[in-house]
Amino acid sequence: QSVLTQPPSVSAAPGQKVTISCSGSNSNIGKNYVSWYQHLPGTAPKLLIYDDNKRPSGIPDRFSGSKSGTSATLGITGLQTGDEGDYYCGTWDNSLSAGGFGGGTKLTVL
Amino acid sequence: QVQLQESGPGLVKPSETLSLTCTISVTSFSTYFWSWIRQPPGKGLEWIGYIYHSGSTNYNPSLKSRVTISVDKSNNQFSLKLTSVTAADTAVYYCARTWGPPYFYFDLWGRGTLVTVSS
Repeated sequence: QSVLTQPPSVSAAPGQKVTISCSGSNSNIGKNYVSWYQHLPGTAPKLLIYDDNKRPSGIPDRFSGSKSGTSATLGITGLQTGDEGDYYCGTWDNSLSAGGFGGGTKLTVL
Repeated sequence: QVQLQESGPGLVKPSETLSLTCTISVTSFSTYFWSWIRQPPGKGLEWIGYIYHSGSTNYNPSLKSRVTISVDKSNNQFSLKLTSVTAADTAVYYCARTWGPPYFYFDLWGRGTLVTVSS
């Protein structure tokens, strides 16, 4: 059982924009930073967003992160077929004193 | 370029102990936390636990009774031991460089290694 809740799937056409939500609680997202990961088939997960809204070097500005209260959102603009894969949010939970991920969201670029 | 590489048996028998090692190249062991993360087939990512360069650890409560993470700074390695494994422990296991709470993110990952629990 994940401490964070994500929609199982989202889809959009190439060139369009999509958002993926990540819902938590006051013990995790409400008190700690959120990160986002892209997991493409056959590869290791890649960090897309850290500290709620910062992009590591090399990650295009098509990817953005935001947070409000106990929820966070990943936005992807200018969708490409190469963006198809699974996306996970992650954070620390103070009540559990443990890290956790969302269940993952499968992105399909139609 | 910093790299992480997991190594260990790809097949473990039920009730036995799963042992994996992560070797880190180039970067200093200090400053960072180092985590193990797994993904069972068809399921999502699960954080197993982390170790700090000082040797202090923190584990996922759901696995805490069976997990030990240790560090070998002289060889730039850290290891995972998971006891009393079952088929539910079959997964791709990743090691990852970790920034500790409250930031808590993984900026470098190994390629992952598949461990199958089967007799």
